[in-house]
Amino acid sequence: DTGVSQNPRHKITKRGQNVTFRCDPISEHNRLYWYRQTLGQGPEFLTYFQNEAQLEKSRLLSDRFSAERPKGSFSTLEIQRTEQGDSAMYLCASSLSLAGARTEAFFGQGTRLTVV
Amino acid sequence: AQSVAQPEDQVNVAEGNPLTVKCTYSVSGNPYLFWYVQYPNRGLQFLLKYITGDNLVKGSYGFEAEFNKSQTSFHLKKPSALVSDSALYFCAVRDPHNTDKLIFGTGTRLQVFP
Repeated sequence: DTGVSQNPRHKITKRGQNVTFRCDPISEHNRLYWYRQTLGQGPEFLTYFQNEAQLEKSRLLSDRFSAERPKGSFSTLEIQRTEQGDSAMYLCASSLSLAGARTEAFFGQGTRLTVV
Repeated sequence: AQSVAQPEDQVNVAEGNPLTVKCTYSVSGNPYLFWYVQYPNRGLQFLLKYITGDNLVKGSYGFEAEFNKSQTSFHLKKPSALVSDSALYFCAVRDPHNTDKLIFGTGTRLQVFP
């Protein structure tokens, strides 16, 4: 296993278009997180899955954002009607959390979104 | 609310000299603290963590961090800096509730000069 994988690495889109990003976590990890990082800032939490269930969403996640994790494996993050303010690095992370076993979060390389 | 502060936007150090990157935290309950490093166009890489136990935590690439409860600090240190250590460093605290989400500081850029 090569770690958390994110695709695409870069995405340039016109304002108003929809975009979708994919994250493949480390295979045995049951938790998956999406973060957003803008220039000069630390990553900010967007949403979190435990297996296939989306258990928490940040207030940063407007109605234009939706995330899924079908079958508890890969996850997708879709942004509808993109705005220039959506330009950022979108980071995915995964971790394992079971009774008696807990790992730190492992991050993918991110998808850099530019809305023009 | 949980938070971390990194008071320095940038730290400059000469190669071979010791380095310190500062982090202070504010949490309710026991803090779970982390350091991550980010190289250009790369994701975050885990360096080390403090959960319980010894206040001095050793991590990857020769880095260590000292947990100080009285000063609510978790400073990252390395005895001898390398040019290749130049990167963006993030301190983070883990939300103690079910999500385990991380709350990050704003980051400190470390520049090591040859």
